[in-house]
Amino acid sequence: NAGVTQTPKFRILKIGQSMTLQCTQDMNHNYMYWYRQDPGMGLKLIYYSVGAGITDKGEVPNGYNVSRSTTEDFPLRLELAAPSQTSVYFCASSYQGTEGYTFGSGTRLTVV
Amino acid sequence: QQQVKQSPQSLIVQKGGISIINCAYENTAFDYFPWYQQFPGKGPALLIAIRPDVSEKKEGRFTISFNKSAKQFSLHIMDSQPGDSATYFCAAVLFSGGYNKLIFGAGTRLAVHP
Repeated sequence: NAGVTQTPKFRILKIGQSMTLQCTQDMNHNYMYWYRQDPGMGLKLIYYSVGAGITDKGEVPNGYNVSRSTTEDFPLRLELAAPSQTSVYFCASSYQGTEGYTFGSGTRLTVV
Repeated sequence: QQQVKQSPQSLIVQKGGISIINCAYENTAFDYFPWYQQFPGKGPALLIAIRPDVSEKKEGRFTISFNKSAKQFSLHIMDSQPGDSATYFCAAVLFSGGYNKLIFGAGTRLAVHP
């Protein structure tokens, strides 16, 4: 059982470039989330989804987009990368959004 | 009002000692309080959790103490070991807009010295 898988693990982007962070889970969880983690700031919710075809903004959605075409996949899109988006990004999933969030191992993104 | 405030930011404990991490919240609508443990290069992992109708929950060396009237909760790690060295996040679940949302504290970096 793989859990939550994120790719890539590391990426360096130039300002203005775009990229997609991939996230897939094999636990048939309804809820999926994207968080960013900055040093000393905890985890901030970017976007979340409560099921295929349903997404909503979290605390810090500006500069990001998401889609949820299947239960398994929840990609995060950065359209015009900015230095402020340098962070570690975590994808997570849960069955009903309460107990037991399962996190991926993260993507470390640097924008230069 | 949706914040969870966590302290200290970092903590150094000797092996065998007790590690204590504190969290406070304002929103009484929070109804579930998990703690997550994160090792370097890994995602957070659920460690232990408590509901507000319970004052204490213990799992092995880890105990959550919950004070509903003070809107505070804390994690106690008894007999701390070097393998406990990690970042710990308190969190709270809020049912808002029809969905559950997990709000994290800023984290505490724990170092247990041998």
